[in-house]
Amino acid sequence: KQEVTQIPAALSVPEGENLVLNCSFTDSAIYNLQWFRQDPGKGLTSLLLIQSSQREQTSGRLNASLDKSSGRSTLYIAASQPGDSATYLCAVTNSGYSTLTFGKGTMLLVSP
Amino acid sequence: DTEVTQTPKHLVMGMTNKKSLKCEQHMGHRAMYWYKQKAKKPPELMFVYSYEKLSINESVPSRFSPECPNSSLLNLHLHALQPEDSALYLCASSQEWEPDTQYFGPGTRLTVL
Repeated sequence: KQEVTQIPAALSVPEGENLVLNCSFTDSAIYNLQWFRQDPGKGLTSLLLIQSSQREQTSGRLNASLDKSSGRSTLYIAASQPGDSATYLCAVTNSGYSTLTFGKGTMLLVSP
Repeated sequence: DTEVTQTPKHLVMGMTNKKSLKCEQHMGHRAMYWYKQKAKKPPELMFVYSYEKLSINESVPSRFSPECPNSSLLNLHLHALQPEDSALYLCASSQEWEPDTQYFGPGTRLTVL
């Protein structure tokens, strides 16, 4: 059974810092990996999607990498801003069926 | 249009009420999903519909009854819920029920009194 772990569970940084969120998964037979953002009480916003054949994806200040063989992904946020404060969820789509396995998330707080 | 819509945004109901949640997508997707998310927890899969047929029921209690009347619409009928069913209910869709990108709606915040 696929298990997804995110470290750290919570992170508090001052504005302007570059930061890295980590995600690991136990079964490397994945179809893709997604990073989501969730604001309190809100739905999920997809940030980046990396297909299993890709190594990284970039969108603005965000960069996500994938090392499928070692079961790891990182989300890099450059020059963090208070508006980046949210919970970041990592989810893998398991090969075979379109079911998502989510990590528990990293709660990020960026202070001015 | 890459949008999944959900109504209502908020719902408060008593344990004896019957209510329904609605989810709609117009992307031509043939797979639709219901997830339940408790506070500070990740989403948990409840149901998967593929081509309007129920494909997965993750041992969800019968007080939750899904319905897929057509390829664009997914309902979740609620009856005799318990306070512990209070949660954010998320709908998602994907092109097919095979490994693919899922698009999520904004969710319905349900409170059971």
